[in-house]
Amino acid sequence: EVQLVQSGAELKKPGESLTISCTGSGYRFTNDWIAWVRQMPGKGLEWMGIIDPADSGTRYSPSFQGQVTISADGSLGTAYLHWATLRASDVGIYYCARLVSAQSGFDLWGQGTLVIVSS
Amino acid sequence: ESVLTQSPGTLSLSPGERATLSCRASQSVSSSYLSWYQQIPGQAPRLLIYGASTRATGIPDRFSGRASGTDFTLTISRLEPEDFAVYYCQCYGSALYTFGQGTKVEIK
Repeated sequence: EVQLVQSGAELKKPGESLTISCTGSGYRFTNDWIAWVRQMPGKGLEWMGIIDPADSGTRYSPSFQGQVTISADGSLGTAYLHWATLRASDVGIYYCARLVSAQSGFDLWGQGTLVIVSS
Repeated sequence: ESVLTQSPGTLSLSPGERATLSCRASQSVSSSYLSWYQQIPGQAPRLLIYGASTRATGIPDRFSGRASGTDFTLTISRLEPEDFAVYYCQCYGSALYTFGQGTKVEIK
C-alpha cells in the first residue's frame, strides 16, 4: 500500500526542541518531493516547506523560513520536521504530503501529527 | 506570491443540491498549477482536482473544476452526505505553494 505514516502526537514545553517524522512506503521515496503543511486549531492549511529526498534540496515558505528545519533520509524513506525552540504558537496538526510534480498537486498525505506546546 | 481568496466562507446546502465554490488568485496563476482538496473533520486533506480540471484517482465525476483567468471554480453537481466538508484550493507559483483559506460546505 502506498502511504505516508507520521510519528505520534507530542506534548512539549515552550523552549524545548522537537523532531517529527514522515515515512513513505509502497513507492520509491526519492522519486517525489515531500512537503510539510501546518493546520492550527480550527484554521486552514499553511504550506511550510518542501524537500527533495533525492538530494535534500529544500524550499521554505517565507513565513516559516528560520523557524523550522526540514530534512530527509532517502535511504530510510523518511522526512523530518524539526524545531530547535518550540513556542506556544507552534501548536497544531502537522501533515506531510507527497508532491510528484508542481502540476500534480499533493496527492498523498500522512495522517497528521498533533503537536501541543504548553507549560 | 499569489494570494488565493475563496468564497463563500460557508455554503449551506441540502443533499442533492449543486455546490459552486470559488477561488480567486491575486496574480496570474497557470491553471496547470491549481489544485483542490477536501478535508473532512478529523481527517487529512484529500486531493480532488489538479491542473484546475483533472480529477485525481478515485474521485467521482460529480466533482469538476474549471478555470477562467484568475478565477477557479469547483463544482459538486449533486451533494452526497459524505461531501459535507471543508474545501481548499492551492496553487504553485514563484517556487512557493499557497492554500486558500477554505470554504465549508455544511448541511442546511
